[in-house]
Parts: sequence; C-alpha cells; structure tokens
Amino acid sequence: QKEVEQNSGPLSVPEGAIASLNCTYSDRGSQSFFWYRQYSGKSPELIMSIYSNGDKEDGRFTAQLNKASQYVSLLIRDSQPSDSATYLCAVTSGGGAQKLVFGQGTRLTINP
Amino acid sequence: DTGVSQDPRHKITKRGQNVTFRCDPISEHNRLYWYRQTLGQGPEFLTYFQNEAQLEKSRLLSDRFSAERPKGSFSTLEIQRTEQGDSAMYLCASGTSGRDTQYFGPGTRLTVL
Repeated sequence: QKEVEQNSGPLSVPEGAIASLNCTYSDRGSQSFFWYRQYSGKSPELIMSIYSNGDKEDGRFTAQLNKASQYVSLLIRDSQPSDSATYLCAVTSGGGAQKLVFGQGTRLTINP
Repeated sequence: DTGVSQDPRHKITKRGQNVTFRCDPISEHNRLYWYRQTLGQGPEFLTYFQNEAQLEKSRLLSDRFSAERPKGSFSTLEIQRTEQGDSAMYLCASGTSGRDTQYFGPGTRLTVL
C-alpha cells in the first residue's frame, strides 16, 4: 500500500461546477497536510495547508481533514479553466525532517 | 521576498557525465529539501538540510548522488556517472524550523541521453 494515495484521474469537471479531489494516507503519525497545484512542466505551488480535523476555506478552495479516517480532500468551487492542473496531496512523514510524502497526483480538467 | 531559485533550469547530458545543480532558498529559511519527480508521479524526497547539516538522506540517494550546503545558504546536488534512469525533474524546497510548509523552486529538468 502506498503511503499517500490519490485517484490519478483524469477528472473532468464543467466550468462553474465543484471539483472534488480526494487523498488517503497510511501514517497515523502525520500531523500536517498540504495540497499543491502543478501545471504541466512547472513545479508544485502550495495552495492549501490543513493541520486539524474539519474544514479550512481560502477563497474558492476548501480543504477537509478527517484524521480518524486518514482522509484529506480539496474542494474547488466555481471551477475555472485556469484550475486545470495536476493536484498533489502531500503529508508530513513525522520525525525531525518533516519531509513531505506525495501522492501521485490527480489530473483535473475544467471544461469551458 | 524572492522565492526559491534553481539553476540551471534545464540540463541535457550524456550518460556517464557528472552534473551539478544549485538551489538558493528563500533567504530566511534554514531548512532545505531536495526532491525528484518523474513523469506521472509525485515528488520523492531525496535529502534534507537544516542550516549546513545534512540530517536525512533517502535510500533513493545512491552513492552517485551527493548534496552539500556549505554555509547554510545555497545547496548543490551532484550526480556522478549519470544514467538514463536519472532523467527527472529535480526540485528544491525550503522552509523554516517549527513550520512544516515547504515552498518549491522552479526545478531543474535533467535529460540523460
């Protein structure tokens, strides 16, 4: 079992709809959770971080965390064509380094 | 506040050659990470520095790979005797102690022919 799992997609959503991206992780000791957006050929860009159970909203983005279920999600409201990208879920591995363990990414396409 | 920078952005080399990449972190960040990303996969951790000390290395980092951060500022990643399997995007990220957030540079894309 991979440490961080995401649906690889592709996920196709019409413009203006809600895009829902999911991620599960295996390390119960993980404390910090991140969503990065990556455009083709570019590096990951941090869009959301979440540390406690519940929802965290930032503009059109909402991150949800459920530590009991080891589940993280990202909702994108009013999806725009510019949201088309690969979304990477990342989890800290614990220990001093706090290195990030990434899922394989979900490719999202917003259709105009 | 400038972001993380990496140089070069692209490198094409022949198998067996040595290559070196540079990363300049955000100026006040004392933590620096190297990751490698291949097509269709998420980034994989390679190594981590806190200030000038290299505190963790992944098993992915074979003996052909070496990283330094001599004065706790910029870092270099060297790959000796490159192999075609080394072709990937090499990403550098920086952060600060006490916060888990990491910010990535633009990456160096390595192609080994």
